[in-house]
Amino acid sequence: AQKVTQAQTEISVVEKEDVTLDCVYETRDTTYYLFWYKQPPSGELVFLIRRNSFDEQNEISGRYSWNFQKSTSSFNFTITASQVVDSAVYFCALSEGNYGQNFVFGPGTRLSVLP
Amino acid sequence: DSGVTQTPKHLITATGQRVTLRCSPRSGDLSVYWYQQSLDQGLQFLIQYYNGEERAKGNILERFSAQQFPDLHSELNLSSLELGDSALYFCASSVDGLAGATGELFFGEGSRLTVL
Repeated sequence: AQKVTQAQTEISVVEKEDVTLDCVYETRDTTYYLFWYKQPPSGELVFLIRRNSFDEQNEISGRYSWNFQKSTSSFNFTITASQVVDSAVYFCALSEGNYGQNFVFGPGTRLSVLP
Repeated sequence: DSGVTQTPKHLITATGQRVTLRCSPRSGDLSVYWYQQSLDQGLQFLIQYYNGEERAKGNILERFSAQQFPDLHSELNLSSLELGDSALYFCASSVDGLAGATGELFFGEGSRLTVL
């Protein structure tokens, strides 16, 4: 069965520090998709990124970057120069198969960025 | 604003009661997903509908049921409620039933259910 592990339950950093959120996944499928979602204090879930299993190229979007390594089954998320507005719960998610079924979320990491 | 609408936003009820949560997907989206988020269980997939038909089932209790109507809105029915059913219930939609393969899930703001 598929599984997503986010070992860091809570992280606190001071503003402007860099922070990396870890995500390790398990799947037997060769085709799968990885996601990161952000849940700010207001509660809604906001899509950040989607990656398919055939594209290991790392991605950078502003202060956000993602490191996908199939060899270690990891899809880590780094925030550079963190800001207070980055405070949220971040979820890593995995969906499997050619049809992207079985969309499963990790337990989430609560990030607190202190001023 | 994701375009997914959930009502009610908050609901307080008693054990043993039955409630219905409603979800309107984004315009044009055919697929609806229901998730339960509780403090100790994280985000749990409950069920998915695609164009009116059940597509996938997760950890949904027998006391819970859902359906998707011809206008594509969906309802999640929770009956014989227990204290442990208190949670935030999210609805999400995607343009097709292939959310992972073709793109993302768009989430509503959730319905917070409190069972007393």
